[in-house]
Amino acid sequence: QIQLQQSGPGLVKPSQTLSLTCAISGDSVSSTSAAWSWIRQSPSRGLEWLGRTYYRTKWYSDYATSVKSRITIKPDTSNNQFSLQLQSVTPEDTALYYCARDRSGYGYFDHWGQGTRVIVSS
Amino acid sequence: NFMLTQPHSVSESPGKTVIISCTRSSGSIASTYVQWYQQRPGDAPTMVIYEDNQRPSGVPDRFSGSIDSSSNSASLTISGLKTEDEADYYCQSYDTNNPGVFGGGTKLTVL
Repeated sequence: QIQLQQSGPGLVKPSQTLSLTCAISGDSVSSTSAAWSWIRQSPSRGLEWLGRTYYRTKWYSDYATSVKSRITIKPDTSNNQFSLQLQSVTPEDTALYYCARDRSGYGYFDHWGQGTRVIVSS
Repeated sequence: NFMLTQPHSVSESPGKTVIISCTRSSGSIASTYVQWYQQRPGDAPTMVIYEDNQRPSGVPDRFSGSIDSSSNSASLTISGLKTEDEADYYCQSYDTNNPGVFGGGTKLTVL
């Protein structure tokens, strides 16, 4: 069955870069039907989609307007995983971060990682 | 761009039926599919309805979804309520530049 396993630090200092990885089993990051997203959850912002990467005939990445200037989501085909980098973090980036599979590319988030609680604090 | 608005909380007794609404702020509710997710405390969300009214494998038929163009809203109906249904429920739909437009969530209490 499909499983997403997240890894990465739970504490990041302000102005630094938040980095998380999501390892995929049971599917391929190179799937030509699915897309691979990062979503975060906080009391102030609720569930917020951050961005995605997906492969059709080439690789694509899309990002939410709110974080577009400082986010990168990349596939790692060698390890069948994808990553999130969020630069210049502030305490407002403190949240529970999830990776998720969108099985269609149209927002059907049918499998989620376990979540990583990230705190931005010095 | 549009928003999805849900009631903050609902409560109902075991065995009863509850309906959770999700109202779209602009554009037709029928223009893009609506999904519903259940999130129990400490867990990641899990999909309980996709494409407005389809149940993923393993989701009991006590869960159903619908849309109403007259009110521009979607609804999640849970019948025969069980204490295990107590959770937060989120609606979600797709926008051109954002596949993950989520409602603010509804806390369901089964008392």
